[in-house]
Amino acid sequence: AQSVAQPEDQVNVAEGNPLTVKCTYSVSGNPYLFWYVQYPNRGLQFLLKYITGDNLVKGSYGFEAEFNKSQTSFHLKKPSALVSDSALYFCAVRDIHAGSARQLTFGSGTQLTVLP
Amino acid sequence: DAGITQSPRHKVTETGTPVTLRCHQTENHRYMYWYRQDPGHGLRLIHYSYGVKDTDKGEVSDGYSVSRSKTEDFLLTLESATSSQTSVYFCAISESPYVRDRGLGTEAFFGQGTRLTVV
Repeated sequence: AQSVAQPEDQVNVAEGNPLTVKCTYSVSGNPYLFWYVQYPNRGLQFLLKYITGDNLVKGSYGFEAEFNKSQTSFHLKKPSALVSDSALYFCAVRDIHAGSARQLTFGSGTQLTVLP
Repeated sequence: DAGITQSPRHKVTETGTPVTLRCHQTENHRYMYWYRQDPGHGLRLIHYSYGVKDTDKGEVSDGYSVSRSKTEDFLLTLESATSSQTSVYFCAISESPYVRDRGLGTEAFFGQGTRLTVV
C-alpha cells in the first residue's frame, strides 16, 4: 500500500527567508509525486510533480521540490518566502506499480505561515 | 481552473436522510475521484472511477456509494447520512496514470468542494 507522511502540521517562517515543507513516501514500485496548495475555502491547486528525470523539479510561484530516492523524500522548497505563500500544502503520491497507480494518496497537510 | 463543477456547494441535512453530491467535468478525463477533507486527516479517498460504469473503493468507502453513467458525471451518494459524514467533499479528475507515453503527469485537478453538514 502507498502512503505519504508530512511530519509537520505547522511551519512558520519569516518573509524573505527560505522555506521547506517536508514529505516522505512509501510505495512498492516507483513513485509519481505531487505537491498541491490549498487556500482558505478553495479546492487544491497543483504546484509541481516528479515523474522521472531530474531530481530537482521546478513548479509554480517559484516553488521547487527535490526527489531523494534513498531517503524516500520529496521536500517542497522556496528560496524566499512571501506572506502570500501562507496556505495549506499537501504532498501526494501515485505508486506506478501495476494496480496501484489508479489511486492518488495524500498526506495530512502542512499549514505554512509566512510572518511579515 | 479545470472544468470541474461540484453541486451543491453547501448542504445541511438531517441524520438518516439520503444525500447525493454531483461532480461534473468538461475535460473528458477518464479518471474521477471523491475525497473527503477533515482536520488532521488531510484528504482521504472515498471512491474513484476509471471509466464509465467502472468504479472502485478507496480508503474510507463505508457508508458511501458512487455511480458514473457518463464520462462527465460522477455522483457520490450517502444512503443514510450520519454526523460522522460531516465534512468537506472534493471531486477530482485526471488522465489515466497509464498513459505515460504522452508525457502526462497524471496530476489531478480539483473542484471547489462541497461543505456537507449532517445534523
